[in-house]
This record gives sequence, C-alpha cells and structure tokens, in this order.
Amino acid sequence: AQTVTQSQPEMSVQEAETVTLSCTYDTSENNYYLFWYKQPPSRQMILVIRQEAYKQQNATENRFSVNFQKAAKSFSLKISDSQLGDTAMYFCAFIDPTNQAGTALIFGKGTTLSVSS
Amino acid sequence: KAGVTQTPRYLIKTRGQQVTLSCSPISGHRSVSWYQQTPGQGLQFLFEYFSETQRNKGNFPGRFSGRQFSNSRSEMNVSTLELGDSALYLCASNSGGLVYNEQFFGPGTRLTVL
Repeated sequence: AQTVTQSQPEMSVQEAETVTLSCTYDTSENNYYLFWYKQPPSRQMILVIRQEAYKQQNATENRFSVNFQKAAKSFSLKISDSQLGDTAMYFCAFIDPTNQAGTALIFGKGTTLSVSS
Repeated sequence: KAGVTQTPRYLIKTRGQQVTLSCSPISGHRSVSWYQQTPGQGLQFLFEYFSETQRNKGNFPGRFSGRQFSNSRSEMNVSTLELGDSALYLCASNSGGLVYNEQFFGPGTRLTVL
C-alpha cells in the first residue's frame, strides 16, 4: 500500500527563520504527484505547493520550496522568512493516477508548525 | 468565486442514527471528493464523484455512501452511526480535469456521535 510519513508531529520556529518539514512516501510507481497542504487553525485547507514526479526541478512558490529526492522518496518543504500566518498544520500528500482510486489524495499524519514572534 | 461550502458545520447525533452532510462545490467544478479527518487516523479518502457518478472509492464500510446531483452538489450519508464515526468530514472540489489539479477544500462538518 502506498503510504506517506511525516516524522515530525510538531515543530516551532521564530519569525523570519527558516524551517524544513520532512515527508517520505512509499510507492513502486514512476509517475505520481506530490503536494503540501496547509490547514490553519479553524480554517480551510489550502494548497501550498505541488510537484510532478517526472520533473527534476524542485517546485517553488514565493517563500515555499521543496526538496524532491525521487530515489530516496523524500519530499520536504522549506519555509523561508517564517511569518505568524504560517502557523498551521501541514500535510504532505500523494496521488498515484494509476491506482484504482487515482484521484484520491493520500495524506501523511501532518506536522503542526507554530511560528512565534 | 464563492468557495466550497458545507452544511451543517456542526452536528451531534447518537449511535444508531443516520446523518446526511451536504457539499456545494465551486461553480464550474464537476468533481467532489469526501475525506474523513480524525486525530487517530488522520485524513482518509472516502469517495469521489464526477458528473453524478462515483469515480473512486476509499476503504470504508457500506454504511458510508454518497451521491452527486446534476448541479454538482454532493451529499454523503452515514447510516447506523458508531462512536468511531465522530470526525471532521471535509469535502473538496476541483474542475475534474487533470489529476494533479488543486483540490479546494470546504470548512468541514464536525460530526459528534454520542
């Protein structure tokens, strides 16, 4: 079964600092998609960044970037210049379009990130 | 554009009852997916509907069912509620095209089973 593992249940960082959230996944497929979603306290989940497995270049979105290591099945999220508004639970997620449930997001258990001033 | 809306936001039921949750996707989106979020199991995929047809299904018992209407609004139903069904139920919509399209999530319905 395909799985997503986030080994850091909680992390803390101060404003303006850089933090990296870890994610590993398990699949035997070659083509798949990886995502980081953010769920702020009592607010709706939103997409932070996504990566297609066939692309070697790491995705970036403003202060958010990923380190995608396909051979190691690792997909970490780096947040630069952390802001108070980054406080949220972050979920790493995976889609395998060849799977029977091909459009289903498979989520990790999440990392709660707290940004303090 | 209005976002994904879910009703009701909070619900309290007792064991053995049934419940229906509703999700209205973003206008123009044809795909609606449902997820169950619990502290123990995390986020788990329930099912996805596209153009009124169930396209994918997760590993949940038959007590969990859903449907989608011609206007893309979706409902999920849970029959014979169990204590373990207490969870935040999220729905997500996307245009239904490419598989890596962004999923837009609603605020969720918090179901408590007593």
